[in-house]
Amino acid sequence: KAGVTQTPRYLIKTRGQQVTLSCSPISGHRSVSWYQQTPGQGLQFLFEYFSETQRNKGNFPGRFSGRQFSNSRSEMNVSTLELGDSALYLCASSLDGGQDTQYFGPGTRLTVL
Amino acid sequence: AQSVTQLDSHVSVSEGTPVLLRCNYSSSYSPSLFWYVQHPNKGLQLLLKYTSAATLVKGINGFEAEFKKSETSFHLTKPSAHMSDAAEYFCVVSDPGNTPLVFGKGTRLSVIA
Repeated sequence: KAGVTQTPRYLIKTRGQQVTLSCSPISGHRSVSWYQQTPGQGLQFLFEYFSETQRNKGNFPGRFSGRQFSNSRSEMNVSTLELGDSALYLCASSLDGGQDTQYFGPGTRLTVL
Repeated sequence: AQSVTQLDSHVSVSEGTPVLLRCNYSSSYSPSLFWYVQHPNKGLQLLLKYTSAATLVKGINGFEAEFKKSETSFHLTKPSAHMSDAAEYFCVVSDPGNTPLVFGKGTRLSVIA
């Protein structure tokens, strides 16, 4: 089975721009979660989607949003980028979320200049 | 709410010596506990998972962890470190239900030749 894939792997943007990141889960997995990883804050939960519905949301501003499609692929969008949004964004998929094992993609490295 | 504390931010061992990475958790329920490893510029890889079936959990690459409820600990061990074990290790807790994973701050393991 193919693993979780994320595109693009690297992005460079400037302040004020917006960005869309994509995640394709493992086939059959219905839950997709997004995380932000920075040296200072570590791994922080952004949101989880299950069957096209946002089921959980972390403590991030409304500039961070996401969606999930009927094939379980997910996208996250960050609008009005700030320097502090520079991070590794990780996507993880699991069968049904909850205590199911989450499998992570390689991440998208976003740099905001 | 659940939480995780990784007691060491950095551990350094010599190749061939034992590894001990310490993790304490807090949960009001019967949690699932995980250890993930992250090599530089990579996503997270699952090492092992505890789900109450057995207190001693064996994972990949010779790692194992013991769940001790009385001590609220889930320490990760390996009898003999290899150079390829050098990476960041994350202890993760998940409560029952559709609650997000909670990550520890990570422990960086260095292996000296």
